[in-house]
Amino acid sequence: DVKVTQSSRYLVKRTGEKVFLECVQDMDHENMFWYRQDPGLGLRLIYFSYDVKMKEKGDIPEGYSVSREKKERFSLILESASTNQTSMYLCASSFGDSEQFFGPGTRLTVL
Amino acid sequence: GENVEQHPSTLSVQEGDSAVIKCTYSDSASNYFPWYKQELGKRPQLIIDIRSNVGEKKDQRIAVTLNKTAKHFSLHITETQPEDSAVYFCAATLSSNTGKLIFGQGTTLQVKP
Repeated sequence: DVKVTQSSRYLVKRTGEKVFLECVQDMDHENMFWYRQDPGLGLRLIYFSYDVKMKEKGDIPEGYSVSREKKERFSLILESASTNQTSMYLCASSFGDSEQFFGPGTRLTVL
Repeated sequence: GENVEQHPSTLSVQEGDSAVIKCTYSDSASNYFPWYKQELGKRPQLIIDIRSNVGEKKDQRIAVTLNKTAKHFSLHITETQPEDSAVYFCAATLSSNTGKLIFGQGTTLQVKP
């Protein structure tokens, strides 16, 4: 069975902290994605990766960075968390131009 | 930039009625159009998808139609049930062939018993 997991379901951090969100998939997918989901704005792409060590900016990359050292793992980093980064973060993976499989999401609150 | 517009943003129907959600896309090279359902507190899950060489696809009570000339595609749910209540997202691939999807803003469907 397909599986995408995320390191935390809920996270509370303080302004200025460095935050790591981790995503792991067990399907040997080459593509991995990080989205941010806010009410009324749908799913907005932050960064994606189509191969190990390869990354491309999505629509809203400001304030975020990513790391993909291994094929199964894709990390999202908030270098200095701010209150406007309070959101639901969803990771996904896919093979080619096909279905993206989503993780359960991490609800991040920045105080 | 490329985008996907989705309408309506909210939709309320009586149980047993049909529901239709419409999306338009801007990238004429888009070739894959999935629809996701997201129940409250859960992850988005694929319910149906269609590729650009097909005009219509059905799966039980769900169907998707694609008009490539007009660059729009629609989700049709017949005989709606309360468990169909959720947020539905349409999406389209970009021509870059990286698997990247552009999502619509979402439609909140409420099916009243």
